[in-house]
Amino acid sequence: GESVGLHLPTLSVQEGDNSIINCAYSNSASDYFIWYKQESGKGPQFIIDIRSNMDKRQGQRVTVLLNKTVKHLSLQIAATQPGDSAVYFCAENIGGNTPLVFGKGTRLSVIA
Amino acid sequence: SAVISQKPSRDICQRGTSLTIQCQVDSQVTMMFWYRQQPGQSLTLIATANQGSEATYESGFVIDKFPISRPNLTFSTLTVSNMSPEDSSIYLCSVRRGDTQYFGPGTRLTVL
Repeated sequence: GESVGLHLPTLSVQEGDNSIINCAYSNSASDYFIWYKQESGKGPQFIIDIRSNMDKRQGQRVTVLLNKTVKHLSLQIAATQPGDSAVYFCAENIGGNTPLVFGKGTRLSVIA
Repeated sequence: SAVISQKPSRDICQRGTSLTIQCQVDSQVTMMFWYRQQPGQSLTLIATANQGSEATYESGFVIDKFPISRPNLTFSTLTVSNMSPEDSSIYLCSVRRGDTQYFGPGTRLTVL
């Protein structure tokens, strides 16, 4: 996973457009990945997960893509809505009962 | 999933005092974690608190500053001791269920 960074990068998207949020992970042994959404004043909420034996998984309006070759994870949000405005974190499970390792996060801002 | 509550939701404290944050889970879990999230940043793991054993602290965090209790499988406390303004942050409780971690709503602490 990535180390804790400074201020969060921001992605601004027009309402109705698709959003793509990217994450690079560092541990090639990681076998499970999660995307979390954190709205202002709240704790992170589980959105979608994917295991390392898959390269794509779809949920409601969200899709997670996993590219193990380049250790890259992305979250695609279709038809982005104002309610999607939040900070999004990727997290990886490096194995066993160790805590998840979190990425730096990306702030998604939806322009109405 | 897991339903997690934290008390207090926020507090404003004076320098040099201590605050104990409570975390309650709706069902029994073995693994609980405490995180700190400074404004605009990602989550930093403070410690892992498993019932029946001493908490395991991450680098940069010590038991004297952040004592943790884990009296049973549904409850934990984190104390922030001898607070300074640098301790102003959001403190999050998290539990592991299967491969996934779930988070409480957080405690927003401001130290004057």
